[in-house]
Amino acid sequence: AQSVTQLDSHVSVSEGTPVLLRCNYSSSYSPSLFWYVQHPNKGLQLLLKYTSAATLVKGINGFEAEFKKSETSFHLTKPSAHMSDAAEYFCVVRTNSGGYQKVTFGTGTKLQVIP
Amino acid sequence: DAMVIQNPRYQVTQFGKPVTLSCSQTLNHNVMYWYQQKSSQAPKLLFHYYDKDFNNEADTPDNFQSRRPNTSFCFLDIRSPGLGDAAMYLCATSSERGAGGPRTQYFGPGTRLLVL
Repeated sequence: AQSVTQLDSHVSVSEGTPVLLRCNYSSSYSPSLFWYVQHPNKGLQLLLKYTSAATLVKGINGFEAEFKKSETSFHLTKPSAHMSDAAEYFCVVRTNSGGYQKVTFGTGTKLQVIP
Repeated sequence: DAMVIQNPRYQVTQFGKPVTLSCSQTLNHNVMYWYQQKSSQAPKLLFHYYDKDFNNEADTPDNFQSRRPNTSFCFLDIRSPGLGDAAMYLCATSSERGAGGPRTQYFGPGTRLLVL
């Protein structure tokens, strides 16, 4: 079984303050983990990914995430929020088994940035 | 630039009238995916092609079909659209050749389907 839980459906931060978007996962196989951002009426853009290399992953726009196997977590952080970060963020778990791609999206977290 | 292209960006169809959405890629990726995303929800995987092998998700309605005539193109056919099929449809690709875990998926901009 494979699942993703994004613990907060909405997060609101002030501009210039840290961002924390939480993601927990479960998987029977060694997963690859991804964070995507989606601005209104736009497609999905990859922020960063973990694929069994370094557990601290740096992405675009100052975002990073740490893979913690013992906690089955892959939380997304940014030291200082910018107005342009307001969007929806999806945590994604993927495994492959004999060519079959299993993809599970979290339910998403809407980030609001207050000026 | 290599990319994933979806046409049209907006599609209007009538209740029960078959409609086809198109996706093309210049990335030469061997896997292509179709997702359905309804308003304020996460994308839901409908099916994917791994090379020529079609993989349907268990809960994808029979009303949804797909064709992949070659590496570059993939189509989503909705045989008899209902009002509940109005959504954004996202195409994605990834290159899963060789050893290692799943690679990055690259998403197209989506086609927004309206059913009247």
